[in-house]
Amino acid sequence: SQTIHQWPATLVQPVGSPLSLECTVEGTSNPNLYWYRQAAGRGLQLLFYSVGIGQISSEVPQNLSASRPQDRQFILSSKKLLLSDSGFYLCAWSRDSGTYEQYFGPGTRLTVT
Amino acid sequence: KQEVTQIPAALSVPEGENLVLNCSFTDSAIYNLQWFRQDPGKGLTSLLLIQSSQREQTSGRLNASLDKSSGRSTLYIAASQPGDSATYLCAVNMDSNYQLIWGAGTKLIIKP
Repeated sequence: SQTIHQWPATLVQPVGSPLSLECTVEGTSNPNLYWYRQAAGRGLQLLFYSVGIGQISSEVPQNLSASRPQDRQFILSSKKLLLSDSGFYLCAWSRDSGTYEQYFGPGTRLTVT
Repeated sequence: KQEVTQIPAALSVPEGENLVLNCSFTDSAIYNLQWFRQDPGKGLTSLLLIQSSQREQTSGRLNASLDKSSGRSTLYIAASQPGDSATYLCAVNMDSNYQLIWGAGTKLIIKP
């Protein structure tokens, strides 16, 4: 069976500090990978998606970037955090064909102070 | 541009009732529709996926229906339990695109 991991679970960072959130998937190969942000009281916003190693599509121009150094690893980064980067970050995966049903990780709660 | 709406935003019912959550979308040319559940502070759990060619899908006490022509999907929960309390989100996949178009969710509270 497939499993998706995210870490850390919670993070408190000062404004201007760097960020690195990691997501890994087990039990499947060549998944599509997604980063979402869920701000308080708002819906899910797709930030990045990837269909393969080194292939990243950005949906929202912002202070964040994503990388996929390995098939089942997806990293969300920032060089300098802003207060507005606070939120709940969710990683998801889907198969690269068929229904594209998305499966989500447990999320990372980021608070920028 | 596809828009997905979930009404009501919140719903509180006593335990044991059967209930229906609504999801409407403006463009009927969808690939499929997913229903998710989110507990407070947690990730999303996929409940049901219904393909554009299907009319309904069932999993345990949950039944999702799809009427593309009217731009509606419903999630039916039978014999509700306090453990069903969560936010329920629907999301539409357009033409096998990778992106999901999300509703804002319905926060469901089941009172013991």
